[in-house]
Amino acid sequence: ELKVEQNPLFLSMQEGKNYTIYCNYSTTSDRLYWYRQDPGKSLESLFVLLSNGAVKQEGRLMASLDTKARLSTLHITAAVHDLSATYFCAGGPNTGNQFYFGTGTSLTVIP
Amino acid sequence: NAGVTQTPKFQVLKTGQSMTLQCAQDMNHNSMYWYRQDPGMGLRLIYYSASEGTTDKGEVPNGYNVSRLNKREFSLRLESAAPSQTSVYFCASRPGKTQYFGPGTRLLVL
Repeated sequence: ELKVEQNPLFLSMQEGKNYTIYCNYSTTSDRLYWYRQDPGKSLESLFVLLSNGAVKQEGRLMASLDTKARLSTLHITAAVHDLSATYFCAGGPNTGNQFYFGTGTSLTVIP
Repeated sequence: NAGVTQTPKFQVLKTGQSMTLQCAQDMNHNSMYWYRQDPGMGLRLIYYSASEGTTDKGEVPNGYNVSRLNKREFSLRLESAAPSQTSVYFCASRPGKTQYFGPGTRLLVL
């Protein structure tokens, strides 16, 4: 079973600042996913990372994957209030259909 | 395209009652999933179906059963609800890479 750990669990940051959310996982995996969830809503796919060194960017968010370190990061650049949400990473074994989610990082961007 | 739909949106049950949560997708995806989300615990996989006619247990299958009725529909049944099953339940489908989630069902078991 793949264990996925995120940190921090809670993050309060000022608008305009940069920060990184970390996602560590326990066993070999070449696929890592990032999702966003707004309060009371469903999950929305942000990034799909499928190989070592993969980097994806969308707006102020950039995700990367280092399979050797079993680490993915979600970097936030010049945060704005609209980015306030809970962010989840999820991984899956290289063979199989299962996904294992981290506990989420609750991000609050303060004006 | 409605995407992934779930019914009902909310449900209150008494301990011992049974119910079925319905999920349907109109995107012709092979794989479908049921998760539960509890505060501070992320999403945990209950059951999944890699294709029509197949189902497999996830991390937390006890107390649940599933049916993959056809390619579109994947239902989750609670035979005898317990307070520990109070949660938000999400269905998802997957064409290949990522998953697409339904809006969720909030279940309260008293």
